Amino acid sequence: ELKVEQNPLFLSMQEGKNYTIYCNYSTTSDRLYWYRQDPGKSLESLFVLLSNGAVKQEGRLMASLDTKARLSTLHITAAVHDLSATYFCAVEGSGNQFYFGTGTSLTVIP
Amino acid sequence: DTEVTQTPKHLVMGMTNKKSLKCEQHMGHRAMYWYKQKAKKPPELMFVYSYEKLSINESVPSRFSPECPNSSLLNLHLHALQPEDSALYLCASSQDFLQPEAFFGQGTRLTVV
Repeated sequence: ELKVEQNPLFLSMQEGKNYTIYCNYSTTSDRLYWYRQDPGKSLESLFVLLSNGAVKQEGRLMASLDTKARLSTLHITAAVHDLSATYFCAVEGSGNQFYFGTGTSLTVIP
Repeated sequence: DTEVTQTPKHLVMGMTNKKSLKCEQHMGHRAMYWYKQKAKKPPELMFVYSYEKLSINESVPSRFSPECPNSSLLNLHLHALQPEDSALYLCASSQDFLQPEAFFGQGTRLTVV
């Protein structure tokens, strides 16, 4: 079974600071996704990474994928309060299955 | 239109009730999914339908019964649930192998009493 781990699980950071969330997975996959979830809400797709070396940026968030290391990163630049949410990575296994990471609960403090 | 619509948004049911959750998408996606999410946990895959056929059943108890009447609709029939089945149930869809991004519905918050 494909295992997906994220760290940290909880992250409290001040506005304006930078930080990186890590997503490691256990078996070969070329497809990785990042989602955001606000409390009590559904998942919002942030990034789709489909190849080794893929890098995508949207606003203050940048995601990258290293399939050889089985690692993806979500980098936050100059955090703002609106980024407070839980962030999940998900790896695609065989048969259209998405396996979710443990999630990182991010709180941005003014 | 990148919308996946789930109904109802909230559901309270007794352990002897039978109810159904519904999910609809009109994006032409051929893969549809049911996930269960407990509080502060990641979503757990329950079922995958690919081209209207059940392709994955992740050892889900038989009190959960999925149905895919057509390519736009996905149902989850519930019967004799337990209080521990209370959770957020999320439906998602994706196009196919070439366009794998999954879009999620808003979820049904289920409470079993």
